This record gives sequence, structure tokens and C-alpha cells, in this order.
Amino acid sequence: AQSVTQPDIHITVSEGASLELRCNYSYGATPYLFWYVQSPGQGLQLLLKYFSGDTLVQGIKGFEAEFKRSQSSFNLRKPSVHWSDAAEYFCAVGAWDTGRRALTFGSGTRLQVQP
Amino acid sequence: DTGVSQNPRHKITKRGQNVTFRCDPISEHNRLYWYRQTLGQGPEFLTYFQNEAQLEKSRLLSDRFSAERPKGSFSTLEIQRTEQGDSAMYLCASSWDRGEAFFGQGTRLTVV
Repeated sequence: AQSVTQPDIHITVSEGASLELRCNYSYGATPYLFWYVQSPGQGLQLLLKYFSGDTLVQGIKGFEAEFKRSQSSFNLRKPSVHWSDAAEYFCAVGAWDTGRRALTFGSGTRLQVQP
Repeated sequence: DTGVSQNPRHKITKRGQNVTFRCDPISEHNRLYWYRQTLGQGPEFLTYFQNEAQLEKSRLLSDRFSAERPKGSFSTLEIQRTEQGDSAMYLCASSWDRGEAFFGQGTRLTVV
């Protein structure tokens, strides 16, 4: 079965600083990888996804992520963080090549942005 | 279309009572998903519908839980004989085939 690990429970960065959120997955075949963001009391919004092709994926709000098969990682990056980026971020993996449609989520990383 | 709509947003119930939540997906979406999220955790998959057919269920979906999607439109999730461990945020999402899944704002259930 697939699994996702987000090693950092909580990260604080200063506004304007760069950001990297870590995500490691475990899955034997081709993973379908996602990053979602959740603001307090809200549902999840998709930031970006990787299915195949170019391993550097661009998303919304200036985010990007890089798929590294050798490291089983899909880290999320942003060159300059804005105060509005403060939220919870979830990495997820799908075993869609098996026909299953469930996503397996990590436990999330809470991002705080200092002025 | 304003996105995925879930009702109610909040529900407080006494242990042992039954509760039902409703999800209205984006109208053209054929796939609908239910997830459960507890505090400090990521969402956990419960079940998935393609049109009106329930194609996948998690082991988390005990026999006290039942989900329906009549006519492939809205969906309901019912929990019978609620327990305190059922307290969580219940999230619904919809998608068109393998496209992006759009999530609703969730229903927060508190069992007292």
C-alpha cells in the first residue's frame, strides 16, 4: 500500500523568504502526486500535480514541485513567500494505475509566515 | 456553478444518534469522493462513486456508515449510532474522470 510522509509538522518562514516543504512517498509503481493547501476551516485546494513527463511541475500561486524518483520525493517550493501563504499543506499520492481512485494524504505541514 | 457544496457545515449530535450529511458536487462531474479528516491529520479516504455506482470503499467505512449517490448527482453520507470517535471533518470532493478533484468546505461533526 502507498504512504506519504511529511517530516515537518510546522514550519515558520519570514515573508519574502524562500520555502521548501518536504514530501516522501512510498509506492512500488508510478505514483500520481499532488500538493493541496488548506486554510483554516476550509476545504482543500489543488496547488499542482504530477502524472508523468517533466519532473519539475509548476502550479498556482507561484508554487512548484520537483519529482525525484531516486529519492521518492516530491518537495514543494516557492521562491518568495507571501503572508497569504500561511496555511496547511498536504502532499498526496494516488495509485491510479491500479484503478483505485483514493488519494493517500500525508499528515500535513503547517506554514506560518512572519512579517 | 459555485463549486462543491456540503451541508450542514457543522453538526453537533449526542452519542448514539444518527446523522446524515449531504454533498452537491460540481454539476458536470461524474466522480464523487468522501474523505474524513481528524485534527492534525490529513484526509483519509472513505468511499468513491462513479456516477451512481459506489466503486470503492475504505476499511474505515464500518457498517455504521453508508453512502449513496442516487441518480449520480448529490450524495449523502449517513452515520448510524454515532460514537465520539466519529468526531471529525467530513470532506466531499468531485472530479470529471481523472481530472482535478475539487473539495467542498466540509462538514464538521462533533459527537458529545
